[in-house]
Amino acid sequence: QVQSVESGGGLVRPGKSLILSCAASGFIFGDHYMGWMRQSPGKGLEWVSYISGSGKDMFYADSLEGRFAIFRNNAKNSLFLQIESLRVEDTAVYYCVRAHAVNGYYAGFGDWGQGTLVTVSS
Amino acid sequence: EILMTQSPATLSVSPGERVTLSCRASQNVNSELAWYQQKPGQAPRLLIYGASSRATGIPARFSGRGSGTDYTLTISSLQSDDIGVYYCQQYNGWPPVFAFGPGTKVN
Repeated sequence: QVQSVESGGGLVRPGKSLILSCAASGFIFGDHYMGWMRQSPGKGLEWVSYISGSGKDMFYADSLEGRFAIFRNNAKNSLFLQIESLRVEDTAVYYCVRAHAVNGYYAGFGDWGQGTLVTVSS
Repeated sequence: EILMTQSPATLSVSPGERVTLSCRASQNVNSELAWYQQKPGQAPRLLIYGASSRATGIPARFSGRGSGTDYTLTISSLQSDDIGVYYCQQYNGWPPVFAFGPGTKVN
């Protein structure tokens, strides 16, 4: 079955960098747009980034101010999110998500990983 | 930037009740709207896409409707397993900008 497993979270000092990973299985990875969402403790959902199946097209939420980079390795069925200059407000559970497509068009995020918690604190 | 609002913020209901949640976009999203359910301690699950199409495996008691800026999610007969937070999300436009509503908590 479709599965996405995130890793790389943990306690990080403000100003440091981090790379989150997502190992995907159960589908043809390179055929799907993928993305990252985050959810601060007790808060709602926030879209972070989105990447095409080939990895050539990347999109980011405007609020991230260029500190985030999404990339993928289709040969290893893996998705990544690099976060620079971490801030306390980046503290959140980060979810790896797969775009659900209907007739080739985006139709929601159909599959979510269990999430990895990033805590930014001194 | 499209802003999403949801009402009510919290809803207390009993099993068997009919529940209707509302979502409003700050501009027309052309039915490019999804609904998600998030149970406590779990990742969200896609319920509805395209404003009214149920995702695979979603029970028929969940239905969505709406157009333009106003959308609703209805649970025809609430079950105890339906407790959680429900989020709407718009995906209109290119390049993609995905905006979520603040959620409705169903107690």
